[in-house]
Amino acid sequence: SQTIHQWPATLVQPVGSPLSLECTVEGTSNPNLYWYRQAAGRGLQLLFYSVGIGQISSEVPQNLSASRPQDRQFILSSKKLLLSDSGFYLCAWSSGPSTDTQYFGPGTRLTVL
Amino acid sequence: GESVGLHLPTLSVQEGDNSIINCAYSNSASDYFIWYKQESGKGPQFIIDIRSNMDKRQGQRVTVLLNKTVKHLSLQIAATQPGDSAVYFCAENALMYSGGGADGLTFGKGTHLIIQP
Repeated sequence: SQTIHQWPATLVQPVGSPLSLECTVEGTSNPNLYWYRQAAGRGLQLLFYSVGIGQISSEVPQNLSASRPQDRQFILSSKKLLLSDSGFYLCAWSSGPSTDTQYFGPGTRLTVL
Repeated sequence: GESVGLHLPTLSVQEGDNSIINCAYSNSASDYFIWYKQESGKGPQFIIDIRSNMDKRQGQRVTVLLNKTVKHLSLQIAATQPGDSAVYFCAENALMYSGGGADGLTFGKGTHLIIQP
């Protein structure tokens, strides 16, 4: 069966510090991968998606970047965090196109102070 | 200025009763719909899905109803249990951005289901 992992589970970082969140998927090959941000009481905002190694599409201009160094690894990064980067970050995967069912990881709670 | 927090719609039901959570979708071209359950501090969990060629689909204790005429989707949970407490939100496979951006899933903001003992 497929599983999706995210780490760390929680993170507290000072403003201006770098960020690296990691997501890995097991039990499937060539998945589509997604990074979402969820603010409290709000819906999911798609940040990046990837259809293959080295292929990244950005949906929202921002302070963040994403990379996919391996087939089942998706990384969310920032060089300098802003207060507004605080939130709950979710990674998801789908076996089909982005319009197909997406399965989510456990999330990372990021607090920028 | 003063900031106002957003509050999710809340549905409070007695344990053992049936729950009905509603969702209005936006795009008449959407042909696939999903319900997710999100417990506090966790990622969304897939519950059930339905394609537009169906009006109803049943799972274990859950039923999804689709009314394409009025673009309405509902999730029915039978014999609600304490473990059903969560935020439930629907998703449709509409274009995410009207400016011609990526196709994908469009997620609703969710309904907070509270189970009263």
